Amino acid sequence: SQTIHQWPATLVQPVGSPLSLECTVEGTSNPNLYWYRQAAGRGLQLLFYSVGIGQISSEVPQNLSASRPQDRQFILSSKKLLLSDSGFYLCACHRGPTEAFFGQGTRLTVV
Amino acid sequence: QKEVEQNSGPLSVPEGAIASLNCTYSDRGSQSFFWYRQYSGKSPELIMFIYSNGDKEDGRFTAQLNKASQYVSLLIRDSQPSDSATYLCAVNRGTSYDKVIFGPGTSLSVIP
Repeated sequence: SQTIHQWPATLVQPVGSPLSLECTVEGTSNPNLYWYRQAAGRGLQLLFYSVGIGQISSEVPQNLSASRPQDRQFILSSKKLLLSDSGFYLCACHRGPTEAFFGQGTRLTVV
Repeated sequence: QKEVEQNSGPLSVPEGAIASLNCTYSDRGSQSFFWYRQYSGKSPELIMFIYSNGDKEDGRFTAQLNKASQYVSLLIRDSQPSDSATYLCAVNRGTSYDKVIFGPGTSLSVIP
């Protein structure tokens, strides 16, 4: 079965600092991978998705970027964090045609 | 118009009652529909999915889909305090499975 590893679980970073969140998937090959952000009390906002190595689609213009250096690795980055980047970041993988299967999430607080 | 809309709630129901959660979507080409449950501070977990018009039942949960009205709902029978969570409606757009779009979620509180 598929497993998504996402780390760290929590992160407190100062404004202007860089960010790197990593997500790896086990138990499947060539997965569609996603980064979502959830602000407090809000739904999930799709940030990036990737259908293969080096293939990244961005849903919204923002301060973040994503990369997929390996088939089962998806990285979310920022060069300089903003206060508005705070939130709960979730990596997801599609299992079957459409079901999104989530990692445990990273709670980022920018101070 | 937002792609997937839900009432934010909170929706409060007494224990044992039926909770009804609603969702509308804008893309008529959407093919599949999902309900996720998310406890505070946790990642969402899938509880139901539906592809065809009509009802789909799984234990205490029933998903209802009406593509003509672009409407999907989730009924929770015999609600329990452990059902208290945020319920996210999600829609896969079109025939490509590149994107699953989530609604903002409805907060449900089941009162003992």
